[in-house]
Amino acid sequence: EILLTQSPGTLSLSPGETATLSCRASQSVSNNLAWYQQKPGQAPRLLIYAASRRTNGIPHRFSGSGSGTDFTLTINRLEPEDFAVFYCQQYGGSPYTFGLGTKVQIK
Amino acid sequence: VQLVESGGGVVQPGRSLRLSCATSDFMFSAYTMHWIRQAPGKGLEWVAGVSNDGATQNYSNSVRGRFAISRDNPNKNLYLYMNDPRPEDTAVYYCATCLMWSGDWFPLDYWGQGALVSVSS
Repeated sequence: EILLTQSPGTLSLSPGETATLSCRASQSVSNNLAWYQQKPGQAPRLLIYAASRRTNGIPHRFSGSGSGTDFTLTINRLEPEDFAVFYCQQYGGSPYTFGLGTKVQIK
Repeated sequence: VQLVESGGGVVQPGRSLRLSCATSDFMFSAYTMHWIRQAPGKGLEWVAGVSNDGATQNYSNSVRGRFAISRDNPNKNLYLYMNDPRPEDTAVYYCATCLMWSGDWFPLDYWGQGALVSVSS
């Protein structure tokens, strides 16, 4: 089973700042990695797939990078609606695991 | 696109439960389907997936041998049969799909709102 380690667990930032979230896989998943955003009481929303491709309708301030085992989600100029929990998921091999999440909270 | 889960509730350990996911507004038979769960206050866990024709199923290590995923293409429904549930199976269960490309398993771009299952005596 491929383990995904997300860091940090919590990120405290102010609106307008840049958030940098990390996701590290225990073995290579190539570019088979997605990022999801989840707000309280809501289902997750797909932001990024194939490590760096933005889903339709997702603002350009969200960007993904990386391949193999190391991945990054960057959120430029945080907006108030961006504060949430973010999960990475690998689909390079079954079982298709999620990371434990990074909570981005208002400082 | 709509995905609506039902069948959640309280179930005793060892008793069976069937979750359903009713879908509409997309060609259900062309796309893979999945169940993902989230224990209270915890993160997401992929549980199971099934190919568009139902012939291939994949499971997480934690449910393999106890849960079964299946689909009814004519009626556009997805199911999760939870056999021998345990307290650690308590979670909100989401159905989800990848509508980007027919037949692809991921990523998951459409999700239901979830159904809560509580396993307790």
